[in-house]
Amino acid sequence: DAGVIQSPRHEVTEMGQEVTLRCKPISGHDYLFWYRQTMMRGLELLIYFNNNVPIDDSGMPEDRFSAKMPNASFSTLKIQPSEPRDSAVYFCASSLRASGYEQYFGPGTRLTVT
Amino acid sequence: GESVGLHLPTLSVQEGDNSIINCAYSNSASDYFIWYKQESGKGPQFIIDIRSNMDKRQGQRVTVLLNKTVKHLSLQIAATQPGDSAVYFCAASFYGQNFVFGPGTRLSVLP
Repeated sequence: DAGVIQSPRHEVTEMGQEVTLRCKPISGHDYLFWYRQTMMRGLELLIYFNNNVPIDDSGMPEDRFSAKMPNASFSTLKIQPSEPRDSAVYFCASSLRASGYEQYFGPGTRLTVT
Repeated sequence: GESVGLHLPTLSVQEGDNSIINCAYSNSASDYFIWYKQESGKGPQFIIDIRSNMDKRQGQRVTVLLNKTVKHLSLQIAATQPGDSAVYFCAASFYGQNFVFGPGTRLSVLP
C-alpha cells in the first residue's frame, strides 16, 4: 500500500480565500483523523471519522473549518475563509481498529495564508 | 481535559549511548499511550505503544515504561544512532479515542 496520501503538499493562499485539503487513507482502514501542527500548539486533533461518519469534531477551531468523508477512500478539510493564523501543517492519519489503535500519518500539507 | 507534557524540549546524546525521553499526562482515565517519531518534513511515525494494564513494553532497541501512579511514561532508546535524530512525541488517549499529543522532544545524536 502507498500509505496515507495527502494533497497538495504545499499550499500558499491569500487571506479570505477558500482552501481545500485532501486525504486518501490506507485502503481498508476504518478510522480517519485530521490533525493540525504548529510550533506553538504542537499536534492538535481536529476531527475524526469512523466508517465515514464524523465522531468527534470538538477540535475544529471554528465554523470556518469543515471536514467531509464522502466515501471510505477520500476525505477533505476545508477552510473558508482562510486567515493567517490558520498557517500550519495539516496531517491526515488512518487506522484499522481491529488491528489496534496505531495511526498511520500522511506526509502532511503545509498551509501558508498570507 | 487531557494535557500531555514533556520534561525537556531538547535532548542531546552521544552516539551509542542510551536515550531517555520523558512524558507526563494529566488524565488518570487515559488507558493507551503511543510514542511517535517525526523526522523533518514527514508525518509522525509509530514507534511503540503501551496499554494501562502494563508498566513496561519492549520493542527493537526501544522500551516504554508507564507509571500510572504519577502519570508518567518514558521512552528509552538503546545504543542511540544518528538515524534516531528526530522529534519524539508521546500521546495519550482513552480507549483509542481523542488522542492528546505532547509538545515533542527534539533528540540530537552527537557523533
